Amino acid sequence: DAKTTQPNSMESNEEEPVHLPCNHSTISGTDYIHWYRQLPSQGPEYVIHGLTSNVNNRMASLAIAEDRKSSTLILHRATLRDAAVYYCILRVGNRDDKIIFGKGTRLHILP
Amino acid sequence: EAEVAQSPRYKITEKSQAVAFWCDPISGHATLYWYRQILGQGPELLVQFQDESVVDDSQLPKDRFSAERLKGVDSTLKIQPAELGDSAMYLCASSLGRAGPSYNEQFFGPGTRLTVL
Repeated sequence: DAKTTQPNSMESNEEEPVHLPCNHSTISGTDYIHWYRQLPSQGPEYVIHGLTSNVNNRMASLAIAEDRKSSTLILHRATLRDAAVYYCILRVGNRDDKIIFGKGTRLHILP
Repeated sequence: EAEVAQSPRYKITEKSQAVAFWCDPISGHATLYWYRQILGQGPELLVQFQDESVVDDSQLPKDRFSAERLKGVDSTLKIQPAELGDSAMYLCASSLGRAGPSYNEQFFGPGTRLTVL
């Protein structure tokens, strides 16, 4: 399986945008880029996913590089409730199989 | 909003004892997963069910762990005997499965935190 590389931790100020990077240089053409996050003492939750084009939803935006070897999760206005571990994951499309989690990025939000 | 239910939320046991965890997936979800998460790491799959059938249990320590989903709905994960190294969060997740969208989003429960003394 293709692997992803994320910084171990990041800090951001409350109410400011946050850009969480992810490198996936060995991504294949059938891999979708997914982001999940895990709030303290909770199970992971889906955030967003994309294939080639940038994506927006109510939680975040996903910016995908043209060569698809990297992507950035954007939280437009971070709140204290966004403090969590964010996982960048590659998943083959149309397959219902396990998620391979890395260690993710622990995001700290400063009030 | 439909959620994945797990019980108990916390379990403390002594080594060599038996423990069991229960999961009720979102109604209509064909696929059910059990993950184990050690502190500071991401979750790792233990077993995956499609309806009542096991489709992946390659990382399940079968000498002490067992899992079942008899009617293809709720599921039980058992450890017997528990060892100190089994202390972890046990997460259950479900997805629509074969009839779902291409990305097959997984919905996770709150987990069971197991402490083995």
